[in-house]
Amino acid sequence: ILNVEQSPQSLHVQEGDSTNFTCSFPSSNFYALHWYRWETAKSPEALFVMTLNGDEKKKGRISATLNTKEGYSYLYIKGSQPEDSATYLCAFDAGGTSYGKLTFGQGTILTVHP
Amino acid sequence: GAVVSQHPSWVICKSGTSVKIECRSLDFQATTMFWYRQFPKQSLMLMATSNEGSKATYEQGVEKDKFLINHASLTLSTLTVTSAHPEDSSFYICSAPGIAGSYNEQFFGPGTRLTVL
Repeated sequence: ILNVEQSPQSLHVQEGDSTNFTCSFPSSNFYALHWYRWETAKSPEALFVMTLNGDEKKKGRISATLNTKEGYSYLYIKGSQPEDSATYLCAFDAGGTSYGKLTFGQGTILTVHP
Repeated sequence: GAVVSQHPSWVICKSGTSVKIECRSLDFQATTMFWYRQFPKQSLMLMATSNEGSKATYEQGVEKDKFLINHASLTLSTLTVTSAHPEDSSFYICSAPGIAGSYNEQFFGPGTRLTVL
């Protein structure tokens, strides 16, 4: 059983604060690491798919880094806004015969207070 | 981006009845779709892979006779929970790759909340 852990489980920040959370995953049999943003009653929205060690990706105020050798990824949000409030999920893809079959972490619930 | 819909968004049923959940890719074709479920305070867990025109493949511990999957067209996969019991109460969600043969970009439906009384 693959173990994907996210921390913290929840986070409360003030508008304008920058924040980050962690996803740890197996460092062997790595193919890709996905980040999703999930608002209540909506579909999870893909943020990033990361495949290369050392990868850094950015989308507006959100960025992510990847370290496949040590098995972790960080998601950063700069200048948090109330609309950033959501659950952030990471998902590990081992590739091979498991290609596309994602193993999810439990998510980090972010609440941004105005 | 591509859109995946699910129907119904929530359902309440009596123990022993069967419930069908639909997952549709609205603006793209999907030869493969994935079905996940999430129990309270747990992660999304993969249940099965739905393949258009062939049998679904199930993850270990998922009863294929209880969770019937049909992927009869390139835009529709259905999950039928047969003889549902309270322990089947969960959140069910599907995903579909946006590009045939590439699972790097998967689009999720909004999910279905099933409550079995």
